[in-house]
Order: sequence, then C-alpha cells, then structure tokens
Amino acid sequence: KNEVEQSPQNLTAQEGEFITINCSYSVGISALHWLQQHPGGGIVSLFMLSSGKKKHGRLIATINIQEKHSSLHITASHPRDSAVYICAVITGYGNKLVFGAGTILRVKS
Amino acid sequence: GAVVSQHPSRVICKSGTSVKIECRSLDFQATTMFWYRQFPKQSLMLMATSNEGSKATYEQGVEKDKFLINHASLTLSTLTVTSAHPEDSSFYICSATSGQGVEQYFGPGTRLTVT
Repeated sequence: KNEVEQSPQNLTAQEGEFITINCSYSVGISALHWLQQHPGGGIVSLFMLSSGKKKHGRLIATINIQEKHSSLHITASHPRDSAVYICAVITGYGNKLVFGAGTILRVKS
Repeated sequence: GAVVSQHPSRVICKSGTSVKIECRSLDFQATTMFWYRQFPKQSLMLMATSNEGSKATYEQGVEKDKFLINHASLTLSTLTVTSAHPEDSSFYICSATSGQGVEQYFGPGTRLTVT
C-alpha cells in the first residue's frame, strides 16, 4: 500500500462544476503539498499546508491531521484547470516529499 | 513567488555521452535542492537530495557514479548523467527550498532523450 493515496485517479468534469480531489496518507507528516503539473511537464506548487484550510482564487485546500486526509477543491472549474494534480507529503527530517500517484483532471467546455 | 529555472529544457544526446542539467534558484538562496525523474504517466521519483557545499544524498537504487550531482553555490545545482543510455531517457525535474519546513519550488523540467 502506498503511503500517499489519491482519488480519483481520473476525473472528467464539465466547465463550471465544483471539483474535489482527495488525498489520504498513512505516515506522520509535517506538511502537505498540492502540486499542479500541466502537459508540458512543469510543476507548480499550489499550496503547502499543515493544518486547517487555505484559499487562493478558485482553489481551496483543506487538511485534517487527525484523519490524515486532505482535499483540494476547485470552484467554477475551467478547461485551463485541466492538468495532473499531485498530493505530496513531507515526512521526517530533510523536506523530502512522498508523492501520490496524481489525479488526471480534464475539464470540458 | 520564488522561481527555479532549469537548463536545458530539452536535450537529445547519443549513447555514451554525458549530459549536464542545471537547476538555478533565481530569487532566493536554496540551501537544499532535490532532483527527481519522471517516467511517462508516472509520478515523480526522488533521485537525490543536494545540500549546498556537501555531498548529495542518493536514494536507494540510484547510481551515484552515473548521476553526478554538484551543489556548489546557494543558487545552483547540477545533475550530470554520465555515459548516457537510452533507458536514461526521462523527464528530470529539480526543486529547491530555502530551509527546513519551507515550501519547495519546482523547476520546469528537462526532457532528456538518449538515442
């Protein structure tokens, strides 16, 4: 079993829909990243959080440390949100990231 | 936000040659840089952790003599793929952080093709 599990693996949505991507982890962490990777390959860090909730534009990330679970929400989704979304956790010393397998999101217009 | 660059973005080389990839933090001092590789439709795999002024720490299964990492300054780390083989063809990504518990910033990646 992977230390970081994401669901769903693939997600297709219509433009405007509210989207949720989930991440569960089985190890102790100091923080969690949500990353976005576009088809060209470049990775953007959307959020780093260790508790509570963060919001940036149409993106919201929440984390429940007790339940070892985080969610990434996209409101009013748009085709330009189509990308791979990756959950990654920081465990132990040294800032090393452990990655989930990613969620492939496709938003259709 | 902080910016990390990589050069080159794409490189094609012949088997047996060596290729150097640069990772630079443009507007912050990166005490630690990480090198990842990513195969098609797979997630990132950490290859090594590089701290400025010290030897890199390689993950299990990564050949340190094949993937040479140098982190000579607080803004530059290099990955050299020596005696490249077609199976080294992959997408290589670096990330950088300015300290413990601080956000990592990723470079745009380098696509290496070995013919």
